[in-house]
Amino acid sequence: GENVEQHPSTLSVQEGDSAVIKCTYSDSASNYFPWYKQELGKRPQLIIDIRSNVGEKKDQRIAVTLNKTAKHFSLHITETQPEDSAVYFCAASIAGSARQLTFGSGTQLTVLP
Amino acid sequence: EAQVTQNPRYLITVTGKKLTVTCSQNMNHEYMSWYRQDPGLGLRQIYYSMNVEVTDKGDVPEGYKVSRKEKRNFPLILESPSPNQTSLYFCASSLTSGSGDTQYFGPGTRLTVL
Repeated sequence: GENVEQHPSTLSVQEGDSAVIKCTYSDSASNYFPWYKQELGKRPQLIIDIRSNVGEKKDQRIAVTLNKTAKHFSLHITETQPEDSAVYFCAASIAGSARQLTFGSGTQLTVLP
Repeated sequence: EAQVTQNPRYLITVTGKKLTVTCSQNMNHEYMSWYRQDPGLGLRQIYYSMNVEVTDKGDVPEGYKVSRKEKRNFPLILESPSPNQTSLYFCASSLTSGSGDTQYFGPGTRLTVL
């Protein structure tokens, strides 16, 4: 089955700096890569996703890049703000699989004021 | 309001006492699933259901049961809970089981088994 590794497990940045979280996946059949944000005590919520037919996607301060050859994808947050502090999960989905998403282990991002 | 609900939100129980965590969605979603979240392990899928009366095992099904008698409900059953099932549980649903459908999570159920 699919295996998703996520790094780093914790990340602290100064407000206004950029943050990058990286994930690798094992199954080359995976074609959908969402990122979820989970604030303390809350449910995970989708913040951005990318499909294998594109290499990069942006939404305001958030961007995701995908390198299919190397089987890794990354989340980039620019101009970080305190409200960006949360746990971020990457995930991968295998085309046609009913088991949907395999999640990474999560990154605790702390934005220091 | 479109949502996924779970009950109870918090539960403390003892080893061996059967319990059920309910999950309901009002979005007419076909696909529903259960995850458990443990520190350092992310979200791991327990069971999933592609539609009514269709269920299958995820990555960590041992010690759990599910049923899908109605489209909107997908209860998680622990017949004989053990301390290693202490965890944060999330129910999720998506429109279909197709790759790329956004999953909507419930608010979570924090279970402690003593």
